[in-house]
Amino acid sequence: SQKIEQNSEALNIQEGKTATLTCNYTNYSPAYLQWYRQDPGRGPVFLLLIRENEKEKRKERLKVTFDTTLKQSLFHITASQPADSATYLCALVLAFSGGYNKLIFGAGTRLAVHP
Amino acid sequence: GAGVSQSPSNKVTEKGKDVELRCDPISGHTALYWYRQSLGQGLEFLIYFQGNSAPDKSGLPSDRFSAERTGGSVSTLTIQRTQQEDSAVYLCASSLEQIGSETQYFGPGTRLLVL
Repeated sequence: SQKIEQNSEALNIQEGKTATLTCNYTNYSPAYLQWYRQDPGRGPVFLLLIRENEKEKRKERLKVTFDTTLKQSLFHITASQPADSATYLCALVLAFSGGYNKLIFGAGTRLAVHP
Repeated sequence: GAGVSQSPSNKVTEKGKDVELRCDPISGHTALYWYRQSLGQGLEFLIYFQGNSAPDKSGLPSDRFSAERTGGSVSTLTIQRTQQEDSAVYLCASSLEQIGSETQYFGPGTRLLVL
């Protein structure tokens, strides 16, 4: 069966440390993978996109890796801050015939950064 | 500039009633998506509009759900004869063109509670 999995347990880390969140999937062949941040009561906000032929993408303190062999993406936040506390969602972008794409979202992992 | 807006922000209704949820996408965005997010779950794709093409309704959970997009802009999601399991946050997103390498911009969502 097709699945996209993120750690359901919250990740608690100390300020200044690197947070690493995992997104695993099975039986999908995504063209892209996206990461979003969602704060309570708000809609998701796009953070980063990585293509299937890219291994790594960086943006400021964020880094995403994409391993299509392992079917896994890792999302890193370096020098984490309490303001980084939120739920982080990964989403697979699937390309369909007829020229349209669809996003499949994971359930998200909640990150709590403690001072 | 204005982002995606949704109304109402909260809706409480009785089982069996019909509800209408509204989404105003970012001006000029041709693609519009509806998702549903239940507590602790990932975003569930409902329906996708792209320009003047026929919408992709493959995610609608039952024939009680319908959506339309008038004039390529505002969209309305209608749920008829609501059930308690329809309680969730309904999120709308738009993108300049179809998603893939394009960022999706989400609205704040409508929180629906069916009593």
